[in-house]
Amino acid sequence: GAGVSQSPRYKVTKRGQDVALRCDPISGHVSLYWYRQALGQGPEFLTYFNYEAQQDKSGLPNDRFSAERPEGSISTLTIQRTEQRDSAMYRCASSLAGLAGETQYFGPGTRLLVL
Amino acid sequence: QKEVEQDPGPLSVPEGAIVSLNCTYSNSAFQYFMWYRQYSRKGPELLMYTYSSGNKEDGRFTAQVDKSSKYISLFIRDSQPSDSATYLCAMTSGGSNYKLTFGKGTLLTVNP
Repeated sequence: GAGVSQSPRYKVTKRGQDVALRCDPISGHVSLYWYRQALGQGPEFLTYFNYEAQQDKSGLPNDRFSAERPEGSISTLTIQRTEQRDSAMYRCASSLAGLAGETQYFGPGTRLLVL
Repeated sequence: QKEVEQDPGPLSVPEGAIVSLNCTYSNSAFQYFMWYRQYSRKGPELLMYTYSSGNKEDGRFTAQVDKSSKYISLFIRDSQPSDSATYLCAMTSGGSNYKLTFGKGTLLTVNP
């Protein structure tokens, strides 16, 4: 079956523009996670959903970052007024039932470059 | 100090060597320990998963967790060129906290 998909795969934008990154989780997966991965680093948690409810957004760096999952499936991570320091790989992951220690399946990521 | 420390390497070994990768952590609440493998330009994929302390073996891979020392290891026996990747340790406390905390990753190259 299809894995986690993300779009776009690459996004180049100018400082100050808003960007929207999309994640399509594995069908039927309850939980969806967003991570940010800088070059040479491991992924860092941003936010997490169970169905459409945002359970934890403690990793969002500031109020320019927001995420939604309105129908409990596809999710969008939005960055407003982008800054150069926002440049990174943004990864989405999903898991089946939202249980502790459950396998998280990662997507290929969206590489964001802010000029 | 980061919650999870991992030597980024790079680590280069000949084919057939035994590889030892490890992470240390500071958060005693961590209960679930994973190793993810990440090939170049791909997303991380789960390789091994261990709950609490102990050993787990899967083919050529063995994961060890020592909670008393806050130290986890991944051993790869008879390493193959196809094992060349970045290996990331990850952990979570479980309960209502499902976010994974990752190490930096160790870049491994197995030379034929």
